[in-house]
Amino acid sequence: EVQLVESGGGLVQPGGSLRLSCTASGFTFSSYWMHWVRQAPGKGLVWVSRINSDESSTHYADSVKGRFTISRDNAKNTLYLQMNSLRAEDTAVYYCARRSGAGGFFDWWGRGTLVTVSS
Amino acid sequence: EIVLTQSPGTLSLSPGERATLSCRASQTFSSSYLAWYQQKPGQAPRLLIYDASSRATGIPDRFSGSGSGTDFTLTISRLEPEDFAVYYCQHYVTSLWTFGQGTKVEIK
Repeated sequence: EVQLVESGGGLVQPGGSLRLSCTASGFTFSSYWMHWVRQAPGKGLVWVSRINSDESSTHYADSVKGRFTISRDNAKNTLYLQMNSLRAEDTAVYYCARRSGAGGFFDWWGRGTLVTVSS
Repeated sequence: EIVLTQSPGTLSLSPGERATLSCRASQTFSSSYLAWYQQKPGQAPRLLIYDASSRATGIPDRFSGSGSGTDFTLTISRLEPEDFAVYYCQHYVTSLWTFGQGTKVEIK
């Protein structure tokens, strides 16, 4: 069964850094594009970033461009999100999601990890 | 950038009733690029519909999607207790993924 498990969330001060991880199992991780999507408390879903299968291409939402870096280690079946210069508005549950092989939609999601940016 | 507007914001219905959720795009795009997700409190989103009208694996046939151009609809033919949740539409195209703001389906 496909599983995506996020980790690395927590409380961080404004201006601080955090690295999120998403460990994948149950499928050939290296064959799939992966995404990060976030959800602020009580709010809707917002796409954050994506990386293609061989890490040759990445893309970011304007709100995180220059501050966040997406990466992956296909040998470890793990997706990462390095978050720097964190702001209060980055507070959210961060989900990793698998892009379906059949199209651009997300067919599997992790349970998320909460990032709280506060002093 | 395409903006997706979902309506209504909240839908109050009873089990057994029909639910009709709308997702309107700010500009026309191919109907192949619209998905619907269900999210329950404290849980991750779950894919329901992709390519506007194709049900994802394991999704009951009471869920159906339709539409094209700028107007898309998710229909739940008869609400079951487990269907009360928040529903999001999503547009996807190379290097751009946009969600609607969500419709909450609550028990009346």
